[in-house]
Amino acid sequence: DAGVIQSPRHEVTEMGQEVTLRCKPISGHNSLFWYRQTMMRGLELLIYFNNNVPIDDSGMPEDRFSAKMPNASFSTLKIQPSEPRDSAVYFCASSLREGYEQYFGPGTRLTVT
Amino acid sequence: EDKVVQSPLSLVVHEGDTVTLNCSYEVTNFRSLLWYKQEKKAPTFLFMLTSSGIEKKSGRLSSILDKKELFSILNITATQTGDSAVYLCAVEANDYKLSFGAGTTVTVRA
Repeated sequence: DAGVIQSPRHEVTEMGQEVTLRCKPISGHNSLFWYRQTMMRGLELLIYFNNNVPIDDSGMPEDRFSAKMPNASFSTLKIQPSEPRDSAVYFCASSLREGYEQYFGPGTRLTVT
Repeated sequence: EDKVVQSPLSLVVHEGDTVTLNCSYEVTNFRSLLWYKQEKKAPTFLFMLTSSGIEKKSGRLSSILDKKELFSILNITATQTGDSAVYLCAVEANDYKLSFGAGTTVTVRA
C-alpha cells in the first residue's frame, strides 16, 4: 500500500518567493496533519484537517502560511512570501480518523536562501 | 501548555544491550501517548498507549504507560545497529493534536 506521498522532496528557493508543498494522504484516511520540524523547536503541528475541513490552525506561524484541502486525496501548504527562517522539514501525516495513530510522509526539506 | 519531556537526550550502547527510554508529560485532557522511531526520514509509528499498566509489545520493543505518575517507558532489548534512531514520544489530548518531545537519540555500536 502506498503511504503518505509528499512533493517535492527538496525545495530550495530565494527569500520572497512563493513555495507550495503538496501531500496525498493514505487512501481512506479522514484526518490530515501538517508538521514542521527544526533542530531548535522539534516537531510542531501547524494545522490539521478532518474530512477536508480545517479544524485547528493555531500552529500556523503567521499569515504568510496557508493550507488547503480541496478533496480527500490532496492538500497543499503554501508559504508566501518565504523567509530564511521558514527553512525546515515539513511533514504531512494522515490517520484513519481523529484519535487514531498518524502515519507520516517522507517530508519536504525546504531551504530558503 | 502541554509539555512532553524525554530522557535521556541521547545514549550510546553496544549491540545486545537493553535500552530504556523515558517520557513524562503534562497535558490537559489526556487521550493517548504515542511512540515513534525516526531515522533519517519520516517518523514511523511504534505504539499507541491509552490505558495504564498494559504493556504493548512488538518484537524486541515494548512500552507501558502510567497515567497516575504521567510517564511512559519504551524498552528495546537485544539492541541491534538498526535500532539506532531518534525515538519520539508524543501526547494526544482530546483535541486530537499531538505534542512531541524533543526525542532521545539512540546509537547502537557493533
